[in-house]
Amino acid sequence: DVKVTQSSRYLVKRTGEKVFLECVQDMDHENMFWYRQDPGLGLRLIYFSYDVKMKEKGDIPEGYSVSREKKERFSLILESASTNQTSMYLCASTITGANYGYTFGSGTRLTVV
Amino acid sequence: GQNIDQPTEMTATEGAIVQINCTYQTSGFNGLFWYQQHAGEAPTFLSYNVLDGLEEKGRFSSFLSRSKGYSYLLLKELQMKDSASYLCAVLTDSWGKLQFGAGTQVVVTP
Repeated sequence: DVKVTQSSRYLVKRTGEKVFLECVQDMDHENMFWYRQDPGLGLRLIYFSYDVKMKEKGDIPEGYSVSREKKERFSLILESASTNQTSMYLCASTITGANYGYTFGSGTRLTVV
Repeated sequence: GQNIDQPTEMTATEGAIVQINCTYQTSGFNGLFWYQQHAGEAPTFLSYNVLDGLEEKGRFSSFLSRSKGYSYLLLKELQMKDSASYLCAVLTDSWGKLQFGAGTQVVVTP
């Protein structure tokens, strides 16, 4: 089975801290995505990557950056954490043309205090 | 802009049928997915429609009309474990980018 692993299940950070959320997948998927999920808003796309060293902005990239130095790893970086970035963060991966959509990681619940 | 609409919440009795509607207006369309998400867990894949019509998979069926920008997920013989959020998502490009609706919380009562 494809596995997408997010490094932390729960995380508490202070306002202004630089935060790294790590995501690793083990099935050689070329496409990786970062979403945040908030009540009533659903999943919103932050950044995505279709290849190593490639990154594209999603719908809400402000305050975030990403890194994809290796195919299996896609990191989300909060440059200076703010309380409005308190959310559930979901990483997902897929192959081009897959008819099963994404395989999701188990999510990271980030609280910024 | 992009818009994917689905009802916020639906309640149904165990053993009944529930239909969750999803309407969409997106810049691209390469198929439509339905996911199930239990509280505190990641979404899991339920169905994929790319052509018009009905796809049946056990107790779950999904329908698509591309001309109307409309899909529904039909859950039959509801069980308590079906209480979850159901997410409608449109594949907006050829590589895998999904645009999600806000989700429909289904509550199954005894």
